[in-house]
Amino acid sequence: GAGVSQSPSNKVTEKGKDVELRCDPISGHTALYWYRQSLGQGLEFLIYFQGNSAPDKSGLPSDRFSAERTGGSVSTLTIQRTQQEDSAVYLCASSLRHRNPHEQFFGPGTRLTVL
Amino acid sequence: AQSVAQPEDQVNVAEGNPLTVKCTYSVSGNPYLFWYVQYPNRGLQFLLKYITGDNLVKGSYGFEAEFNKSQTSFHLKKPSALVSDSALYFCAVRPTRDNAGNMLTFGGGTRLMVKP
Repeated sequence: GAGVSQSPSNKVTEKGKDVELRCDPISGHTALYWYRQSLGQGLEFLIYFQGNSAPDKSGLPSDRFSAERTGGSVSTLTIQRTQQEDSAVYLCASSLRHRNPHEQFFGPGTRLTVL
Repeated sequence: AQSVAQPEDQVNVAEGNPLTVKCTYSVSGNPYLFWYVQYPNRGLQFLLKYITGDNLVKGSYGFEAEFNKSQTSFHLKKPSALVSDSALYFCAVRPTRDNAGNMLTFGGGTRLMVKP
């Protein structure tokens, strides 16, 4: 596709359930990022992948959050035992490389609501 | 650790007037600076970036930003605002040092409202 795509666009779940959010980056982009946009909190970095290197997980808020990137392309963000404070818009971005200041291209986001 | 401050939650401007959205940053060493815009129900869109060179950077949709190292600022400007510019604007910083991490640190966002 032409841009970063994310699915689902909306996800409503019950507290305690696990959820998986998917990101398809722009073809050829080797760097992939997950951010979280919470009401009143701005944008918060979660995790970053660069090629086959070990991901930078420094932004993950708890061990309930994890992410994978298979084959250097598609990424899945998993939230286990969801809590109400996990409700937010989860944004994925990709960039051509992690070196040099290439701009990050963002997907439309997945709006997660935990009841 | 780096940080970005956008001191105004909202900026109101009349159409045709110049607009400024303020951003100040804190980073160790030299920064890479970015502005993104988010329209309702849309993802973030890149507007412009400062890497090096001229302090005045021109970007999409007639926007520009001025890097001021002494004031650690990167204010977004446009000479004549349009109603369609109404959106949420985010300033972001990334340190230039390779071992400093590659993620962007965002400001809290400023909502721009352009009235007809």
